[in-house]
Amino acid sequence: DADVTQTPRNRITKTGKRIMLECSQTKGHDRMYWYRQDPGLGLRLIYYSFDVKDINKGEISDGYSVSRQAQAKFSLSLESAIPNQTALYFCATSSSGGVGNEQFFGPGTRLTVL
Amino acid sequence: ELKVEQNPLFLSMQEGKNYTIYCNYSTTSDRLYWYRQDPGKSLESLFVLLSNGAVKQEGRLMASLDTKARLSTLHITAAVHDLSATYFCAVDMRFGAGTRLTVKP
Repeated sequence: DADVTQTPRNRITKTGKRIMLECSQTKGHDRMYWYRQDPGLGLRLIYYSFDVKDINKGEISDGYSVSRQAQAKFSLSLESAIPNQTALYFCATSSSGGVGNEQFFGPGTRLTVL
Repeated sequence: ELKVEQNPLFLSMQEGKNYTIYCNYSTTSDRLYWYRQDPGKSLESLFVLLSNGAVKQEGRLMASLDTKARLSTLHITAAVHDLSATYFCAVDMRFGAGTRLTVKP
C-alpha cells in the first residue's frame, strides 16, 4: 500500500470553481508539503506544515489555501481556479526526527483548469 | 532568496559513457538532496548529503557535496538505458529545474 496517497489523481475543472486536493500519509511523519510541477520549472513549494498547528506559505501561495486536519492529512484548496493553475500537484512528507529528513512524495494530482 | 540551479537541463548520452550533473545553490546549507523522477511518475529519493565532503554512491550514480563552493555533483558512470529519467537536486524545500537524462544505445 502506498505510504502517501493523493485524491483525486486527475481533475478537470472550470475557471472560477473551488476545488480541493487531498493528501493522506501512513508514514507517521510530522511534516507535510504541497508542491506544483510545471514543465521546465521543477517543483515549487506552495505551502508546508511542520506539525498540525503549523502552516507556512511557500514561494507561490497566492490563490491557494491549505488545511492540516490531522497529522496524517493535509489538503490544498484552490478557492477560484484559473487556467494558469493547470499543473501537476505533489504532496510530500518528511520526518523531523531521524538523520536524512528526505521527502517522500505522493503519486501526484494532474489538475486541468479550463 | 535561495536559488538552486542545475546544469545541464537536458542531457543525451550514449550507453557506457560518463557524465556529471551539477547543482549550485545560493545560500549556506549543509544538507542537499537528490531525487529521481521517471516519466509520468512521482519523485523518489536517491541521496541525502548531510555535510561538507559527503559522498554517496549507489550503483552507477555517485553524489558529492561541497558546502564551501555551494555545489553538488551527480556523477554517472558507464550509463545504461535504465538511468533515463529526470534528476532533481533540492536544498531546504527549494528544487532545481531538473536535468532530463536520456541514455541512448
